[in-house]
Amino acid sequence: VQLQESGPGLVKPSETLSLKCSVSGGSISGYYWTWIRQSPGKGLEWIGYIYYGDTTTYNPSVRGRATISVDTSKNDFSLKLSSVTAADTAVYFCARLNVAGKDRGFDSWGQGALVTVSS
Amino acid sequence: EIVLTQSPGTLSLSPGEGATLSCRASQSVDSNYLAWYQQRPGQAPRLLIYGASSRATGIPDRFSGSGSGTEFTLTITRLEPDDFAVYYCQQYASPLTFGGGTKVDIK
Repeated sequence: VQLQESGPGLVKPSETLSLKCSVSGGSISGYYWTWIRQSPGKGLEWIGYIYYGDTTTYNPSVRGRATISVDTSKNDFSLKLSSVTAADTAVYFCARLNVAGKDRGFDSWGQGALVTVSS
Repeated sequence: EIVLTQSPGTLSLSPGEGATLSCRASQSVDSNYLAWYQQRPGQAPRLLIYGASSRATGIPDRFSGSGSGTEFTLTITRLEPDDFAVYYCQQYASPLTFGGGTKVDIK
């Protein structure tokens, strides 16, 4: 399965960051579809995931600002992060979390999309 | 929240040497849900080890994982040029967390 992020690379402070992850080569059903970010020169931070189209779980650090949704008809899922600040500048990765069987973990990743928050 | 602390922060080694990376959890982690990743510069992370000790598909046997409870280890034998990268441990009890990473660089 291949994942590809898309969306604006520049967002103004206080606005909403929107990214989409297109999934090809496999169904979007049955896995946890996840957003992870990495601030410049820093480690990985889990933002949240969606499972079976409507069950979402978010990192407390972004809860209330993040919304993850899935479009099964288009085989993609999206992230919206509201009220962004410079601290939200990061490379955003979409990834598939496999929790059963072989290769449990984030077994597929997008290449990452750099989003800069600046006026 | 389970905090994962990785040590050392940086490991400087020569090709052909072995590496031992540590991941310590602030509370016990189900081994089934402990994974290790490799991230090369400019790339997305890649799954190396899942279930604390099982190699992911396509990962050479130079990479091995061990541990349980709060102490986990990633061992790399005979370092090759492509192995110089940053390594992260990760657990997926809720909330899901990553360790801060260990950079393996060339001495």
